[in-house]
Amino acid sequence: EIVLTQSPDFQSVTPNEKVTITCRASQSIGSSLHWYQQKPDQSPKLLIKFASQSISGVPSRFSGSVSGTDFTLTINSLDAEDVATYYCHQSSSFPYTFGQGTKLEIK
Amino acid sequence: EVQLEESGGGLVQPGGSLRLSCAASGFIFSNYWMYWVRQAPGKGLVWVSRIYSDGSSTYYADSVKGRFTISRDNAMNTLYLQMNSLRVDDTAVYYCARASVDRIMGYYHYYMDVWGKGATVIVSS
Repeated sequence: EIVLTQSPDFQSVTPNEKVTITCRASQSIGSSLHWYQQKPDQSPKLLIKFASQSISGVPSRFSGSVSGTDFTLTINSLDAEDVATYYCHQSSSFPYTFGQGTKLEIK
Repeated sequence: EVQLEESGGGLVQPGGSLRLSCAASGFIFSNYWMYWVRQAPGKGLVWVSRIYSDGSSTYYADSVKGRFTISRDNAMNTLYLQMNSLRVDDTAVYYCARASVDRIMGYYHYYMDVWGKGATVIVSS
């Protein structure tokens, strides 16, 4: 099973701040890594697919990158509505797995 | 509008059974793989099961293998999850999700692009 380890687990943020969340895979998964945003009492929403591909309708301040087995989600100029928990997810091999989540809260 | 809507959740005793449904609309359901993902209270997301677009192949997480069965009725645009021998640690919100596909370097790669709002399952005596 591929283990995805996110960091940090929690971050206190301020509006307009640049936020970086990382996700490290326990083995090579190519670019089969996707990012989701989950707000309280809502279902997950796809933000980025295949490490760095943007999704229609998602604000351009969200971007993704990859270096080897290290994946990064960047939120440029955080908006208060971005307060949520963010999950990475691999679809390279079964069983599919998710990172443990990174919770963002307003400072 | 593309939509998924789960139903069938509820309170069940340990050892009991429950069947979840996921009604799809706004897209050609029979063209897509589908998944179930669950989230225990205050915890993260856990993938549960996958089914091919024609129902010919299924796959399960070890934690539910032999107890849960995923199926679909393409004529009714509905996905199912039959859950038997339920345990307290099966308590969770269960989401159905659609799998879209991109072709990258000659291979098909899947990702979950649409999720339902979830159905709550509580296993308790």
